Amino acid sequence: TQLLEQSPQFLSIQEGENLTVYCNSSSVFSSLQWYRQEPGEGPVLLVTVVTGGEVKKLKRLTFQFGDARKDSSLHITAAQPGDTGLYLCAGESRDDKIIFGKGTRLHILP
Amino acid sequence: DAGVIQSPRHEVTEMGQEVTLRCKPISGHNSLFWYRQTMMRGLELLIYFNNNVPIDDSGMPEDRFSAKMPNASFSTLKIQPSEPRDSAVYFCASGAFYEQYFGPGTRLTVT
Repeated sequence: TQLLEQSPQFLSIQEGENLTVYCNSSSVFSSLQWYRQEPGEGPVLLVTVVTGGEVKKLKRLTFQFGDARKDSSLHITAAQPGDTGLYLCAGESRDDKIIFGKGTRLHILP
Repeated sequence: DAGVIQSPRHEVTEMGQEVTLRCKPISGHNSLFWYRQTMMRGLELLIYFNNNVPIDDSGMPEDRFSAKMPNASFSTLKIQPSEPRDSAVYFCASGAFYEQYFGPGTRLTVT
């Protein structure tokens, strides 16, 4: 069974701090997505990474896909209260399956 | 542009009743996905359609669950009979595997 393990499960930090959350698997993925979900809403796509080693930036968010395409990280610089939410990673496997991690619940304290 | 539309937003029903959840995907999107989200299991793919045809229903938990997509602009997820363990938020999404647009979800409570 393919799994995506996200860590940490919960993270509460002060506004202005930096943080990194992780998405790990023993399986190789064709692509990997990061979503953010706020309470009462559906997940919203932040980024898709496809190439091993790929780095994408979205303002203060930096996403990296592992060289072997088995893992990914999301780094947030100078976190703001608006970054609060559930961050989900999702992988598209080679056999056309889509798998979501259980997410990292991030809370930025003002 | 309207996003993915789901109805109802909330559904409370009694055990044994039939429940039908509805979804209107974004116009032009060829794929539609149904998910279930719980605290314990996270977000799970139940079934997805491509060009209105069910491609993979391996995530459908049991025969009580069925999904249809009669045309490109409408899909339903039906649970019959419903059970308390079906209580969850059900999401519909459209787009592609690598770029999905989610609806606001239907919160189902089965008592």
